[in-house]
Amino acid sequence: DAKTTQPPSMDCAEGRAANLPCNHSTISGNEYVYWYRQIHSQGPQYIIHGLKNNETNEMASLIITEDRKSSTLILPHATLRDTAVYYCIVTLGGYNKLIFGAGTRLAVHP
Amino acid sequence: DTEVTQTPKHLVMGMTNKKSLKCEQHMGHRAMYWYKQKAKKPPELMFVYSYEKLSINESVPSRFSPECPNSSLLNLHLHALQPEDSALYLCASTQRVTGELFFGEGSRLTVL
Repeated sequence: DAKTTQPPSMDCAEGRAANLPCNHSTISGNEYVYWYRQIHSQGPQYIIHGLKNNETNEMASLIITEDRKSSTLILPHATLRDTAVYYCIVTLGGYNKLIFGAGTRLAVHP
Repeated sequence: DTEVTQTPKHLVMGMTNKKSLKCEQHMGHRAMYWYKQKAKKPPELMFVYSYEKLSINESVPSRFSPECPNSSLLNLHLHALQPEDSALYLCASTQRVTGELFFGEGSRLTVL
């Protein structure tokens, strides 16, 4: 699985968009980009995933660059409940490994 | 039903004890996972079961013994653990098409 690089921490004001970057320069053509988050003392929660195209769901948007070497997770209107560690993971999907890196600790403040 | 249920939520055991962690899902998922998470660290993959067969073992010590009795149930048998094995143990399941993992809330293990 390709390695990912994320900033260790970020801050965001409540109500503003949170843009979380992820670098995955060694991604291969059939690997997906997945995003999960983990709120304190809970199990990780799936957010979104994509292969090439940008994706949007009720939680977030995922923007993948054309060369697929980086991506950005966008939380359009961050709330205090979005405070969590966000993990960007590159994997083949299906029943394959999902290896977590260090993630980004996002703090949303009033 | 989109839940992965783990029991017990908390477990304290001595180094000579034998105990088990249990994970259950009724979403029809055919792959199930065990992860270990130490405080302030990301989850570490331990085992993956696919169609009730062990498909991935991340070089986990033999004092951890997984078992998948059927497609809905995953156990982790614990024996002769060390204090450094104290951690949150997370179970997850997935369906092949989307590959998104559904995680349980974890079992917090303390080894004395």
